[in-house]
Amino acid sequence: GIQVEQSPPDLILQEGANSTLRCNFSDSVNNLQWFHQNPWGQLINLFYIPSGTKQNGRLSATTVATERYSLLYISSSQTTDSGVYFCAPGETGANNLFFGTGTRLTVIP
Amino acid sequence: DVKVTQSSRYLVKRTGEKVFLECVQDMDHENMFWYRQDPGLGLRLIYFSYDVKMKEKGDIPEGYSVSREKKERFSLILESASTNQTSMYLCASRGGQINQPQHFGDGTRLSIL
Repeated sequence: GIQVEQSPPDLILQEGANSTLRCNFSDSVNNLQWFHQNPWGQLINLFYIPSGTKQNGRLSATTVATERYSLLYISSSQTTDSGVYFCAPGETGANNLFFGTGTRLTVIP
Repeated sequence: DVKVTQSSRYLVKRTGEKVFLECVQDMDHENMFWYRQDPGLGLRLIYFSYDVKMKEKGDIPEGYSVSREKKERFSLILESASTNQTSMYLCASRGGQINQPQHFGDGTRLSIL
């Protein structure tokens, strides 16, 4: 399966700051999702982004599949952004996703 | 919106018990998945199913089995629960095409005593 590395593992931000989370993966992909796991354990879909760039409010994501990485940008962070962010690519021809160990984000007021 | 419902949010069972975790989706999705999440390890795939009565092993199938008798329901079975199966279990579903997103349920936090 695909090896997934996420950085940084932990991030503490002041409310209002911007951040960039990175995901490197080891193989070609036909699928890539970003998730936010809130403090209650719920996994929330943020983006389905096997390639290109998407934006949704204060969040945006870019995947450069040829260089095997994806970035998640959070602007003007809020305390409700706290939680763990997972990148999960799916390798070409396979059904399942492979998860990194996540970036734990803490936004302090 | 896709709705994936897991039958229990929290569950406590005893060693040796047979445990059933249920997952139901309302979008007529062909594919359903069971993952396990442990601290520091991310999510790991236990089993997935691509059609009724069809299943494939994931990365960590040992000690688990699954059942998919109806398209909307995918059950994870711990044949004889052990303490090392204490974990968070998450179910997901996806449509028929590989290049579609997976949608997750809220998870079941299972404790085996």
